[in-house]
Amino acid sequence: GDSVTQMEGPVTLSEEAFLTINCTYTATGYPSLFWYVQYPGEGLQLLLKATKADDKGSNKGFEATYRKETTSFHLEKGSVQVSDSAVYFCALSTSGTYKYIFGTGTRLKVLA
Amino acid sequence: NAGVTQTPKFQVLKTGQSMTLQCAQDMNHEYMSWYRQDPGMGLRLIHYSVGAGITDQGEVPNGYNVSRSTTEDFPLRLLSAAPSQTSVYFCASSPRQGVTEEQYFGPGTRLTVT
Repeated sequence: GDSVTQMEGPVTLSEEAFLTINCTYTATGYPSLFWYVQYPGEGLQLLLKATKADDKGSNKGFEATYRKETTSFHLEKGSVQVSDSAVYFCALSTSGTYKYIFGTGTRLKVLA
Repeated sequence: NAGVTQTPKFQVLKTGQSMTLQCAQDMNHEYMSWYRQDPGMGLRLIHYSVGAGITDQGEVPNGYNVSRSTTEDFPLRLLSAAPSQTSVYFCASSPRQGVTEEQYFGPGTRLTVT
């Protein structure tokens, strides 16, 4: 079945460091791919998405490119801030289903 | 707009008790769903609904019931609580079912079953 695999955390970085969180997926159809972010004590909120191969989603300095050839959707940010500390979830949705599949989440901690 | 609201925020139950977690959205969204979030397991889909009167099971439906009598409300019922149901529960909605649609999440209900 469809699945999403994320790198395990926690990831601890210093402020202004470069961030990469890896995400790979398995899907039988043509999925849309998402990154959601969860700040402490809150629900998830959409960070960015890409709906077809080679699309790049971007928001708040974060970027991710839909790579069909490597079935990946890695999240990157050039310079992280303390306020980026949160849990990040990669997710997919495939046509013909009503279901989202989420990864296990990666906790990011940014130190001042 | 309130978005997606959930009540209660916290709940403690004894094994065998029943209760209903409330979820409401004011965005006229067709699609609603319930997830549970457990450490190291991400979010797992419990039940979902594609419109009023239509519900279906997700990945982990056992021990839970849902109904969707209105577009706005999608309550989740725990029939006989068990310690394995200790978790954080999130309700989500989206405008329609579609592969590109974003989901909007509520703030969550933290449930402890003793």
